[in-house]
Amino acid sequence: DTGVSQNPRHKITKRGQNVTFRCDPISEHNRLYWYRQTLGQGPEFLTYFQNEAQLEKSRLLSDRFSAERPKGSFSTLEIQRTEQGDSAMYLCASSTNLAVNEKLFFGSGTQLSVL
Amino acid sequence: GQNIDQPTEMTATEGAIVQINCTYQTSGFNGLFWYQQHAGEAPTFLSYNVLDGLEEKGRFSSFLSRSKGYSYLLLKELQMKDSASYLCAVRDRQAGTALIFGKGTTLSVSS
Repeated sequence: DTGVSQNPRHKITKRGQNVTFRCDPISEHNRLYWYRQTLGQGPEFLTYFQNEAQLEKSRLLSDRFSAERPKGSFSTLEIQRTEQGDSAMYLCASSTNLAVNEKLFFGSGTQLSVL
Repeated sequence: GQNIDQPTEMTATEGAIVQINCTYQTSGFNGLFWYQQHAGEAPTFLSYNVLDGLEEKGRFSSFLSRSKGYSYLLLKELQMKDSASYLCAVRDRQAGTALIFGKGTTLSVSS
């Protein structure tokens, strides 16, 4: 069990640029979540995959955001035409199955700074 | 919709006991979780409650009252390493699968 891995750890970009983050979940975990967290706030749900299927997206998620999990293993989150308000920590989490006590395992996140 | 409230900050001293409260409002409550998050690190799972009562796990305990929409996390024999943010999160059947997190309570433990 190597844990949930995210890269890069930090990304600095200029407004208007596109960025892509990668998440490698714990192997055998078929469920994968993306969250966003800003300073002093709790994680905010963005989207969720079960295997390769994207089953839920937050209504707050701008259409500039897109996520994929092509083979049901790693996932990517792309933000197009970044804005300063996109600056945040992007967290990925994975779990094994849907149960009432489903425990999420989080990665250390990608810190995005949009200048 | 959902609403989760917890104090923003708390302070305590080593060896003491601290209780972090969380109140919530959901349409279809389906479990409450506590996570610990050290600065710059990933949240890590602490506890889970779905039925009323107290769940004890070492120095940490979590309590739930569904009728009151209330939970608390109790930390005993505080250590400096317990300085962290404590996140209350709920699962709501009406809101889908994902956990909904509160803003977190930053606990500072001093010697």
